[in-house]
Amino acid sequence: GAVVSQHPSRVICKSGTSVKIECRSLDFQATTMFWYRQFPKQSLMLMATSNEGSKATYEQGVEKDKFLINHASLTLSTLTVTSAHPEDSSFYICSAKGGQGNTIYFGEGSWLTVV
Amino acid sequence: DAKTTQPPSMDCAEGRAANLPCNHSTISGNEYVYWYRQIHSQGPQYIIHGLKNNETNEMASLIITEDRKSSTLILPHATLRDTAVYYCIVRLTGNQFYFGTGTSLTVIP
Repeated sequence: GAVVSQHPSRVICKSGTSVKIECRSLDFQATTMFWYRQFPKQSLMLMATSNEGSKATYEQGVEKDKFLINHASLTLSTLTVTSAHPEDSSFYICSAKGGQGNTIYFGEGSWLTVV
Repeated sequence: DAKTTQPPSMDCAEGRAANLPCNHSTISGNEYVYWYRQIHSQGPQYIIHGLKNNETNEMASLIITEDRKSSTLILPHATLRDTAVYYCIVRLTGNQFYFGTGTSLTVIP
């Protein structure tokens, strides 16, 4: 079946640095990818929607200059958290739309800890 | 997309059926009902979805009321591995998923 893979699964970075998280669709082409953030004991919050080859659409309240999203190919989208701070520590999850029936598949998530 | 309402938590005895309700009274005619679950520290896992008719697959059954204002996810024989947060989402085909707070299901030995 279709698989969406995220890398890294866990990352620790220093405050003020930038960190990149990759989201790949492994056996289908994803025309659209979505990025979510989830704080402990809370639900998933949609951050942005990215379409291949175009600028991402950000949800209200999400800083586009802080969370850079690139969707350069039909199998890869990246989320870069710039100038990370401890409050950016969270579980980041991507999903990709594509494959048979244009289904949406979720990745395994990436834990970001900013120290 | 329509908003959903789910009980925050439920318990179920192992081996018994788990019935998880969801209210979506403002659902529109072409919005689907999806169910996902999330086991701690993992990405959401697809369970089932439907439009009007009841659906069944190897994981669960989905019962949608005739007026489509509510639905029930049924796990026929709950196991300890079914302990998770279950999300009911209504969505137009092609649109993104907006997650509510879900139901935290605990399967008790």
